Amino acid sequence: AQTVTQSQPEMSVQEAETVTLSCTYDTSESDYYLFWYKQPPSRQMILVIRQEAYKQQNATENRFSVNFQKAAKSFSLKISDSQLGDAAMYFCAPLSNFGNEKLTFGTGTRLTIIP
Amino acid sequence: NAGVTQTPKFQVLKTGQSMTLQCAQDMNHNSMYWYRQDPGMGLRLIYYSASEGTTDKGEVPNGYNVSRLNKREFSLRLESAAPSQTSVYFCASTEGPNTGELFFGEGSRLTVL
Repeated sequence: AQTVTQSQPEMSVQEAETVTLSCTYDTSESDYYLFWYKQPPSRQMILVIRQEAYKQQNATENRFSVNFQKAAKSFSLKISDSQLGDAAMYFCAPLSNFGNEKLTFGTGTRLTIIP
Repeated sequence: NAGVTQTPKFQVLKTGQSMTLQCAQDMNHNSMYWYRQDPGMGLRLIYYSASEGTTDKGEVPNGYNVSRLNKREFSLRLESAAPSQTSVYFCASTEGPNTGELFFGEGSRLTVL
């Protein structure tokens, strides 16, 4: 079974600073996707960034980037220049059962932005 | 473009009552999912439908049934609600396979007394 660990239940960061959220996972597959989803207080789940496991280059989306270490099964999210709108729960989700699209979610990290 | 629409958004039930959560997507996606979200436990997959006409159990299927009515609609039914089913339920869809990105509804908060 797929397992996902987000070891930081809560994190806080000063506005405009950088914060890194950690995620480790376990999978027996060699080809898969990894995702970070954001859930603001509105409860809507929003895709932040996606990484293909076969790509060595780390994905970036504006202020969001990942540090993907395949051998270590680690997939951390870095948020640069943190903004008040970044306050949310962040979920790491590796894709299991490739082709059946069954995402397994971590337990989440609640990020607070300090003005 | 509505995306994924769930109804109702809030519901209170008594133990033993039944209800159906409705989900519809207008993105012509093949795969649809029902997740539940509980504090400290992330999202857990209840059932999913990889394509029209097929459904499969996820991680926590007990106490639930699903119907993939057509390509657009995927409903979740609680036949005899229990307090342990108090949760926030999310429907999601994806173009699938091999694309990965899920598109979520806004969630339905269900309380079972």
